[in-house]
Amino acid sequence: KNQVEQSPQSLIILEGKNCTLQCNYTVSPFSNLRWYKQDTGRGPVSLTIMTFSENTKSNGRYTATLDADTKQSSLHITASQLSDSASYICVVSAPLGDYKLSFGAGTTVTVRA
Amino acid sequence: EAQVTQNPRYLITVTGKKLTVTCSQNMNHEYMSWYRQDPGLGLRQIYYSMNVEVTDKGDVPEGYKVSRKEKRNFPLILESPSPNQTSLYFCASSFGDRVVDTQYFGPGTRLTVL
Repeated sequence: KNQVEQSPQSLIILEGKNCTLQCNYTVSPFSNLRWYKQDTGRGPVSLTIMTFSENTKSNGRYTATLDADTKQSSLHITASQLSDSASYICVVSAPLGDYKLSFGAGTTVTVRA
Repeated sequence: EAQVTQNPRYLITVTGKKLTVTCSQNMNHEYMSWYRQDPGLGLRQIYYSMNVEVTDKGDVPEGYKVSRKEKRNFPLILESPSPNQTSLYFCASSFGDRVVDTQYFGPGTRLTVL
């Protein structure tokens, strides 16, 4: 069973609207949680990295939150643009010294004009 | 320009014909890794390397080999490819295993094994 579950699997939103993606993980203990953006046919690009002690991290219109107690994270996209159409991947890292990453299957976001 | 390069980008081959996918980074990163990405499964780690001559298995190493003779290169070798290895492959690198190290991904290699 995958240790990182993302929801929804896909969503469609209108340009200018906001949306929130969810990530639940069971990796324990964990070191940090990352969100990546992957455009079709390209490699993932890092959006945010949060340690277990951080609650929120922003990168422009992207804001990630983390609740280490409930093992949940979310990625909020504000005022979506057509260029936000991509797959968003949640990644959880094991503690330092064991650099194995657990990847979620991703949420595909489609922004329509 | 800092980057991770992979070659080839696309490859169609037949079962059993040995192949190598090259990966190179120009950022002097110690850590490099190979992943495969399949629909609905997300990225899965094949092998990783913490430094020259230091490699370890990821979650799906069966059917693959790697080597790290130089810091900048981390080739992925399929000795006898099979159709279930048809996938999109990504190489990635980072400075190390510090908590906030960002992984940089290559552009991907789409492999089809007939």
